[in-house]
Amino acid sequence: AQTVTQSQPEMSVQEAETVTLSCTYDTSESDYYLFWYKQPPSRQMILVIRQEAYKQQNATENRFSVNFQKAAKSFSLKISDSQLGDAAMYFCAYRGPNTGNQFYFGTGTSLTVIP
Amino acid sequence: NAGVTQTPKFQVLKTGQSMTLQCAQDMNHNSMYWYRQDPGMGLRLIYYSASEGTTDKGEVPNGYNVSRLNKREFSLRLESAAPSQTSVYFCASRRLAGGGEQFFGPGTRLTVL
Repeated sequence: AQTVTQSQPEMSVQEAETVTLSCTYDTSESDYYLFWYKQPPSRQMILVIRQEAYKQQNATENRFSVNFQKAAKSFSLKISDSQLGDAAMYFCAYRGPNTGNQFYFGTGTSLTVIP
Repeated sequence: NAGVTQTPKFQVLKTGQSMTLQCAQDMNHNSMYWYRQDPGMGLRLIYYSASEGTTDKGEVPNGYNVSRLNKREFSLRLESAAPSQTSVYFCASRRLAGGGEQFFGPGTRLTVL
């Protein structure tokens, strides 16, 4: 099974600053999808951003962007101009074409935003 | 459009009791999933259903059963609850278009005493 590793259990950032959350994954597949989900204290899982492996361009959604390094199997999330509402648990997830419908999640990074 | 709904939101059981967690989606998605979330372990897949009429085991299926009642509904049953099943349970559905991301329900917090 594919593995997804988030090596930072906790991170903190000053409001308005930039923070990067790390994610690495292990796969032998060449075509796959990567996702970042946000889980605020409400517990609701919210999609932040997704990246298709066949696209070389890094995905961007407003203040959220990724640094996708396919050869290194790395998929980090950058949050710019951090806001108090960004405080949450962030999960990295992988889905590959040959893993059927299964998604593989990392263990999460808890982000604190300091006013 | 309610998305993915789950009932109940909270439940307390005694060891050995049974219960069914209900999940429904109104997005016409084919695939549906059940996860459990435990501290420090992320989300682990219990069962999934790629389409109506099919179900498959995930990473942690022991102690659970599922039913894909129709395209909209996917239930998770605990036949004889154990304290190790204390967790937060999430249902999700997946669209085929685009990146095929999952959409999640609000979760059920289950405590087994």
